[in-house]
Amino acid sequence: DTAVSQTPKYLVTQMGNDKSIKCEQNLGHDTMYWYKQDSKKFLKIMFSYNNKELIINETVPNRFSPKSPDKAHLNLHINSLELGDSAVYFCASSQVGGYEAFFGQGTRLTVV
Amino acid sequence: DAKTTQPPSMDCAEGRAANLPCNHSTISGNEYVYWYRQIHSQGPQYIIHGLKNNETNEMASLIITEDRKSSTLILPHATLRDTAVYYCIAVNYNQGGKLIFGQGTELSVKP
Repeated sequence: DTAVSQTPKYLVTQMGNDKSIKCEQNLGHDTMYWYKQDSKKFLKIMFSYNNKELIINETVPNRFSPKSPDKAHLNLHINSLELGDSAVYFCASSQVGGYEAFFGQGTRLTVV
Repeated sequence: DAKTTQPPSMDCAEGRAANLPCNHSTISGNEYVYWYRQIHSQGPQYIIHGLKNNETNEMASLIITEDRKSSTLILPHATLRDTAVYYCIAVNYNQGGKLIFGQGTELSVKP
């Protein structure tokens, strides 16, 4: 049973499109995150949610909008996709205030 | 948060101990040292963490110097599956779970 699952695993889309990435965790954690890993393999946090409430927003463009319908799900919606959005996006979860995070397998987004 | 410095790459022979160093000379008294690794094409995986005492779990051991300015992650019997990028992260517990990843050390375990 996968602890943190993301869909889709691969996403290829054209510039200007809107797309969503879904994330679900079955660990009972209250906190979920989105991280972005760029082409240079640099991994950086984008958002975190604690029990559906936004906690961290790391100056990400407004085109990125996280949505948390419940504490087990954190989806990432991206509007007007740009070439620079191409990256691997990782979802993660942890206990409240915890730093032992469980990461999903990642979604490789390619914008053409 | 304290900045950590790691060598960009290391090699290790299969079956031998892999000792991965991390320098965190500016770490403050309430910052923990966390280690994660990222195997190719997978999400990062938590390994171990510590404050000032040495720690051991089923995956690895963590040795923190007495002055806390550096630490070493030890994989006692490295296997090919341990080939990965290893990240040393200094964590302040008031950051809401935020992990700040550096460039890490790319460990290659060779037969």
